[in-house]
Order: sequence, then structure tokens, then C-alpha cells
Amino acid sequence: KNQVEQSPQSLIILEGKNCTLQCNYTVSPFSNLRWYKQDTGRGPVSLTIMTFSENTKSNGRYTATLDADTKQSSLHITASQLSDSASYICVVSAETSYDKVIFGPGTSLSVIP
Amino acid sequence: KAGVTQTPRYLIKTRGQQVTLSCSPISGHRSVSWYQQTPGQGLQFLFEYFSETQRNKGNFPGRFSGRQFSNSRSEMNVSTLELGDSALYLCASSLAGQGNYGYTFGSGTRLTVV
Repeated sequence: KNQVEQSPQSLIILEGKNCTLQCNYTVSPFSNLRWYKQDTGRGPVSLTIMTFSENTKSNGRYTATLDADTKQSSLHITASQLSDSASYICVVSAETSYDKVIFGPGTSLSVIP
Repeated sequence: KAGVTQTPRYLIKTRGQQVTLSCSPISGHRSVSWYQQTPGQGLQFLFEYFSETQRNKGNFPGRFSGRQFSNSRSEMNVSTLELGDSALYLCASSLAGQGNYGYTFGSGTRLTVV
């Protein structure tokens, strides 16, 4: 069964600190993996996308890694800011005749001063 | 270019009523997907439309239906509303499904059923 799991479920960190969010998936055949940021009450916004051959992708202070062998991805946030407080969602696409997209449950990040 | 537009932004309905939500995708995008998000829950996939045809459907009861028009605008309808239908409904547009293009989400419609 295609599944995406994320950990931790929630996280509280001090402003300026770094953090890493985890995503494990059992999606096959794998097409790509995206990380989205969702502010409260808003729609998710794409941060990064990685295909099978890519193992790291950066977007400013956000760096995503992908290990296709172990089917794990991580999102590292450097020098966190209050505006990073949001839900971070890992989304994996499977290669099918049409795209099959599996959303993870998200990690809720709170950055406090 | 304009993003994904969802209307209305907020909606309050009573149990038993029906509701129609609208989504205008980014110009040129042919795929529109709908998601339900309840507090503490991840996004639950409702259905996807591509060129006016539903090509993927999630595990929701038949009370949830949708359609897509020739201009790619999409509507979602929920009949006989239940309290549990209270949620943020998100629509996402894509050139042709997530593929290598990804989804662009709208800001959502917050539906409250009382």
C-alpha cells in the first residue's frame, strides 16, 4: 500500500535554531517527492521537488534530501525564523498512467522567540 | 500571472443543506484536484479532473461530487451536509497532474456546518 509517514508530528524550537523533519514513504513506482509549507488557514506552497536521481535540493534556508534506496527524505531548516511556523507536508508521486499523489500527515512546526 | 482562485473564502451552512464551491485554476492548467483538510488531519484527496473528465477519485461518499468546465474551472458540490463535513477545502491546479510540475494550491474555502 502506498503510504507516506512523517515525524515528528509536532515540533517546537527557538528562533535561530536549526531543525530537521523526516519523511518515510512506501510509494512505488516512485516518481518524485515534494515538500510543501502550509501556513494556518492557507493552501500549501511548494518548497522543493526531487526526482529519483536527485539527493539534495535547496531553497534558501530549506534543504531537502532524498535517499531513494531507503525511501527516506528529510527537510532541514537553518536559522529558523518566526515565519517558519507552519505545517510541513511531504508529498510523494507514483508513476502511473496518471499521477497518483500521496500526502503525508504533515509536521507542525512552531518557532518561538 | 493570477494564482488559483477559490470562492467563497468562508461559508456557513446548516446540516442537510447542499453547497457548491468553485475553483479557477491558473491559466493554461488543465488538471484540478480537490482536497479536504480537517483540524489535525492531513489532506484527504477527493477527486481530480483533467480536461473535463474525472480521472481519479478518493474514498469519499457519493454526497461529494465535482465537475470541470471547458475553461478548466471546477466546482465541487456536497449534498446533505453533515457536521463532519466542516473543513478547509483546497483545490490545486497543475499543468497535467503533479508530475514534474507540482500543484499550485488555492487559499481554500473554509466550510462550517452547524
